[in-house]
Amino acid sequence: GAVVSQHPSWVICKSGTSVKIECRSLDFQATTMFWYRQFPKQSLMLMATSNEGSKATYEQGVEKDKFLINHASLTLSTLTVTSAHPEDSSFYICSARGLAGVGELFFGEGSRLTVL
Amino acid sequence: QKEVEQDPGPLSVPEGAIVSLNCTYSNSAFQYFMWYRQYSRKGPELLMYTYSSGNKEDGRFTAQVDKSSKYISLFIRDSQPSDSATYLCAMTKSGGSNYKLTFGKGTLLTVNP
Repeated sequence: GAVVSQHPSWVICKSGTSVKIECRSLDFQATTMFWYRQFPKQSLMLMATSNEGSKATYEQGVEKDKFLINHASLTLSTLTVTSAHPEDSSFYICSARGLAGVGELFFGEGSRLTVL
Repeated sequence: QKEVEQDPGPLSVPEGAIVSLNCTYSNSAFQYFMWYRQYSRKGPELLMYTYSSGNKEDGRFTAQVDKSSKYISLFIRDSQPSDSATYLCAMTKSGGSNYKLTFGKGTLLTVNP
C-alpha cells in the first residue's frame, strides 16, 4: 500500500533553533498534504493544508511565520518550526492525499519534537 | 459542544471479545466517516471509511453510520492483543481535494491475552 515517510522520527533541539521535518509520499503523487499536531492523549489538530506549488492554508490560531510549510513537489512537503520554544514540543504528523479521495489519505509515522 | 465526541476510555477487554467503539457528532454536514488505528508513537492508519449512512464490513471490523442519530460505531470481532491501540474516528463534509478531517480524541483499547 501507499507509504508516507516522515523524517526525522524524533528530534531534540535547543530553544531558539529551527527544526525542519520532511514528509514524503513514497509510491504515489500527493497533490495535497496536511500537517497535524498531537498532544499526549489528545486528538490530531490540523495545522495547515499544503498544495503543491502554492502557499499553504493555515488553520485559525496557527502562526504562519512560526510554522513554515513548503510543498515543492508532488512527493515532498516540509514543515519548519522556526525559533522553537519548549511549548512547541509535540508530536507532528503529516498526511498525504492521493487521487482516490477520502479513501486514500495516508499518514506518516509522526515526528516527536522536544525543545529544551 | 465539540463537533466530534469520543469517549477516551481506556477500554480493556479479554482476547476474543467483541469491542464496540463509537463517536457522536453535531454537524449534520459530515458525510464521510473514517476510523483510524494509532499505535503508540506512530501515525494513524486508516481502517475503514464509509459514505453517508449504512454498514461496511472488512474482516473482523464493521463500521456503522447512523446519520439520523449522528452516531458512528466500529465493531471489532474476535479481538486480538494486536488490536491494542488508540482508535480515532474522523469525519469530513466533502471528498473534494482540500477536504479537512475532524477527529475525535481517540479511544485507548487494550486487549488482554
